[in-house]
Amino acid sequence: GDSVTQMEGPVTLSEEAFLTINCTYTATGYPSLFWYVQYPGEGLQLLLKATKADDKGSNKGFEATYRKETTSFHLEKGSVQVSDSAVYFCALKARDGSARQLTFGSGTQLTVLP
Amino acid sequence: EAQVTQNPRYLITVTGKKLTVTCSQNMNHEYMSWYRQDPGLGLRQIYYSMNVEVTDKGDVPEGYKVSRKEKRNFPLILESPSPNQTSLYFCASSSSGSGGVGEQYFGPGTRLTVT
Repeated sequence: GDSVTQMEGPVTLSEEAFLTINCTYTATGYPSLFWYVQYPGEGLQLLLKATKADDKGSNKGFEATYRKETTSFHLEKGSVQVSDSAVYFCALKARDGSARQLTFGSGTQLTVLP
Repeated sequence: EAQVTQNPRYLITVTGKKLTVTCSQNMNHEYMSWYRQDPGLGLRQIYYSMNVEVTDKGDVPEGYKVSRKEKRNFPLILESPSPNQTSLYFCASSSSGSGGVGEQYFGPGTRLTVT
């Protein structure tokens, strides 16, 4: 079945450091890929998405590129802020015509120190 | 304001006492889902619904029931809760547009403890 593997956390960075959170997936065909963010005490919010190979999703300074050849969708940000501290989830939705919703990775906790 | 609401936000109950967690969305979305979030496991789908009276099992449906009698509501029912259902639960909704790959909107979560 479909699966998403994220790098283990927690990740702790200093403000203005470069961030990479790795995400790889296994799926039949060509899924759509997502990054969601969960701030403390809140539900998940969509951060960015990509629906086909080589697409780059971007939002709030975060970027991720859909790499079909490596089945990856790594999240990057050039300069993190304290306000970016949250849990980040990589997710996919298969293009199998079903209404089945997202398959999530286990999440990566990010803490940014001032 | 577009939103998904869940009630209650926190619940402590005892084994075997039936409970219902309500979920409501005001965006006229066709799709709704329930997830549970456990440490190290991410979010796992319990049930989902494609429209009124249309529901299907997700990855971890055992011990749960759902119903979709109205488009806006999708309650999660635990007929006989057990301690292994202690978890953080999220309801989510999305539109069927964009081939179903549109944004999912999540509720704030319900933290359930079963003793």
